[in-house]
Amino acid sequence: DSGVTQTPKHLITATGQRVTLRCSPRSGDLSVYWYQQSLDQGLQFLIQYYNGEERAKGNILERFSAQQFPDLHSELNLSSLELGDSALYFCASSPPRLGGSTDTQYFGPGTRLTVL
Amino acid sequence: DAKTTQPPSMDCAEGRAANLPCNHSTISGNEYVYWYRQIHSQGPQYIIHGLKNNETNEMASLIITEDRKSSTLILPHATLRDTAVYYCIVRVETSGSRLTFGEGTQLTVNP
Repeated sequence: DSGVTQTPKHLITATGQRVTLRCSPRSGDLSVYWYQQSLDQGLQFLIQYYNGEERAKGNILERFSAQQFPDLHSELNLSSLELGDSALYFCASSPPRLGGSTDTQYFGPGTRLTVL
Repeated sequence: DAKTTQPPSMDCAEGRAANLPCNHSTISGNEYVYWYRQIHSQGPQYIIHGLKNNETNEMASLIITEDRKSSTLILPHATLRDTAVYYCIVRVETSGSRLTFGEGTQLTVNP
């Protein structure tokens, strides 16, 4: 158990719909990352937040957005869903890096999204 | 981040050492070698990382060649639960940088 929690575990929805995936980082971790894993694309970085602020963006579609709240949990919002959005979505967190500590990311169990 | 090359698949007998190679010939002086693994559809799990010295922890050992152009992850006594995709990632160890995953190596541990 990494200490990162994600809900829901599974999500089945229809094309055109909107869903929200939730992530709670490990206690004390300020950074949250979102990754998408689909069969044809592998694990791809989407976006990162650090202490409530967006820090980096990867291959995130305009239909997708995220935010990190004051309690540090994060939500990934996916809208106008398409069949190709079906994937595993992972959240990861990492601690603030203080001299000598590692920049290790701890991953949650993921949310499996199926778009029908 | 430097590109890495790993064999797509490897087999290992249970109880034997699993040696997973990774080539990273374009690695820069400030880039670290990280290893993560992903057991089927679970979240990736950090294993170990290093800069130039060999490293060992409770999970594995990491051997980095002197020129740093390749490395080997060693699982000393592989078990069936070590069956997973192993990713070698080279990156600068700056706070909060993304992980760039390649194809990885599918390690299958056989009874």
